[in-house]
Amino acid sequence: DGGITQSPKYLFRKEGQNVTLSCEQNLNHDAMYWYRQDPGQGLRLIYYSQIVNDFQKGDIAEGYSVSREKKESFPLTVTSAQKNPTAFYLCASSIDHQEFNQPQHFGDGTRLSIL
Amino acid sequence: AQSVAQPEDQVNVAEGNPLTVKCTYSVSGNPYLFWYVQYPNRGLQFLLKYITGDNLVKGSYGFEAEFNKSQTSFHLKKPSALVSDSALYFCAVRDIEIGGQNFVFGPGTRLSVLP
Repeated sequence: DGGITQSPKYLFRKEGQNVTLSCEQNLNHDAMYWYRQDPGQGLRLIYYSQIVNDFQKGDIAEGYSVSREKKESFPLTVTSAQKNPTAFYLCASSIDHQEFNQPQHFGDGTRLSIL
Repeated sequence: AQSVAQPEDQVNVAEGNPLTVKCTYSVSGNPYLFWYVQYPNRGLQFLLKYITGDNLVKGSYGFEAEFNKSQTSFHLKKPSALVSDSALYFCAVRDIEIGGQNFVFGPGTRLSVLP
């Protein structure tokens, strides 16, 4: 079955620690996205990538970093500079970022909490 | 700039009754509109989209949505609600104007269908 796999499902971060969230897709999609979900605020875009070796900041990129070395993979690192990292993180993909009529496909998320 | 409003945080409806989840939007160009559903601790699932053409769009699980350009609305509807429809619903918009290429999500509406 094609889809998006996020791991781990739950993650705990200590003070001063960087943590990396994994996102893998086997849909052969060019575009990938990271969103942060907080209660009552909908989804906010952190970073997106239209193609391998390219990525763009979203609305709330500060304290986060990404890489896109392979088409299938788009890991997100939550750095110690992100002072309020507790949230539900969602990875998504779409066929092509410029195909405006195409929906995004989502993984099942990673819930990050501070120890 | 694009924006999406979902004026109701919570909608309660009895099983078997019709349901409506409201969405209004603001874009500078022509809107591409989407509805997604989210079950607890899961990612978003695509329900339906409006791109152009018929104002009444049919989607998954018996849901439909009506596009109203004059009222800038895209309300989600279902003729007969099921308890299993209880979930969080998100409206999203894209337009093709420069700078408006990303998805913008509303804050979500929690639907509770009571048996």
